[in-house]
Amino acid sequence: SSELTQDPAVSVALGQTIGITCQGDSLRGNYASWYQKKPGQPPLLVIYGQNIRPSGISGRFSGSNSGNTAALTITGAQAADEAEYYCCARDNSGNHLVFGGGTELTVL
Amino acid sequence: QVQLHQSGPGLVKPSETLSLTCTVSGGSIGIFYWNWIRQPPGKGLEWIGSVSYSGSTIYDPSLSSRVTISVDTSKNRFSLNLRSVTAADTAEYFCARDMGVGDFDSWGPGAQVIVSS
Repeated sequence: SSELTQDPAVSVALGQTIGITCQGDSLRGNYASWYQKKPGQPPLLVIYGQNIRPSGISGRFSGSNSGNTAALTITGAQAADEAEYYCCARDNSGNHLVFGGGTELTVL
Repeated sequence: QVQLHQSGPGLVKPSETLSLTCTVSGGSIGIFYWNWIRQPPGKGLEWIGSVSYSGSTIYDPSLSSRVTISVDTSKNRFSLNLRSVTAADTAEYFCARDMGVGDFDSWGPGAQVIVSS
């Protein structure tokens, strides 16, 4: 199992706000990056660093960190946001990278 | 805008070596770290390892005994070799550029690799 823990699945009503969390000891003092993964496509970086969005990523995506938890918040969820979301950060040794187990987001 | 192009066989026999190459266009391989990541069927993303332009490498501990990632700056490409493969290595393999610490901003399209006799 991953050193970064994510809920396997969450759902949100169209237009509502959802938070997806990632927990792990290595997140104390380290940022997580967040990826959106849709079938047949490579992952897409949506948040990195201290809540930085790459060019082209909607402002509806934001990130935050507190203690051993990183969170990705999607405001005004759209059908196009339906995907699997992964966090990524250093592992507990600090020498390697690790992904969370992924959270499948369903937009109702 | 940098683009990553993947190449390599889609079928590898058990106990043999899986070899993939990622060619970088639109930018130099001379900065950042270059990574391999995979996703087994029905499972999550797994980081395999990374290589810098100077050739320094970091590997996931669970794969380190079987994996080699190398870089060829003259051809602006980097490669993955995974030895002694088993069915558990069947996955979609991605190459990606890391602009920070796990900040993969550019990805290859992915390559499905099946390990089967």
